[in-house]
Amino acid sequence: DGGITQSPKYLFRKEGQNVTLSCEQNLNHDAMYWYRQDPGQGLRLIYYSQIVNDFQKGDIAEGYSVSREKKESFPLTVTSAQKNPTAFYLCASGFRPGLNQPQHFGDGTRLSIL
Amino acid sequence: KNEVEQSPQNLTAQEGEFITINCSYSVGISALHWLQQHPGGGIVSLFMLSSGKKKHGRLIATINIQEKHSSLHITASHPRDSAVYICAANFGNEKLTFGTGTRLTIIP
Repeated sequence: DGGITQSPKYLFRKEGQNVTLSCEQNLNHDAMYWYRQDPGQGLRLIYYSQIVNDFQKGDIAEGYSVSREKKESFPLTVTSAQKNPTAFYLCASGFRPGLNQPQHFGDGTRLSIL
Repeated sequence: KNEVEQSPQNLTAQEGEFITINCSYSVGISALHWLQQHPGGGIVSLFMLSSGKKKHGRLIATINIQEKHSSLHITASHPRDSAVYICAANFGNEKLTFGTGTRLTIIP
């Protein structure tokens, strides 16, 4: 079955450490997105990518980095510059950016600080 | 400013009740999405609509473009419908703006 796989499900970060969240999709989608979810707030866009080797900052990109070397993969690195990384992170993908299409979501990664 | 507001924030109902969750948005949109977030955190897309009404099983989504308002209805609610329901809007581009969600609890 096609879908989006995020790993790991739970992740712990030490002070000063970079951590990378994995997102893989086999839906042949061009566009991929990373969102952050905090209690009481709507999902906020961190980064998005419309094609391979291209990505744009979302609303809260500071302290994060991404790459899009393959169509199927869009990893997110939470750097030590992100001072409040504890949150639930969701990856999503969709067809043909620029048109109204439903986004497909992964099951999320919950990141906590040790 | 592109904004999406949902109400209520929390909703508890008895099994079998008819459920309505509301969503309003600030300016014209190109599409409105309803999503369901399970207790484990995964999100499923329920509906995408730009006009009128859509139905899938016991779920119905409606949108009134003039009033900038959408509703999600659940008929004959069941405990398995307990989840967070999220409204999101495309304000003319591919990015989504999300509401804060409605936590629905159905009591047997």
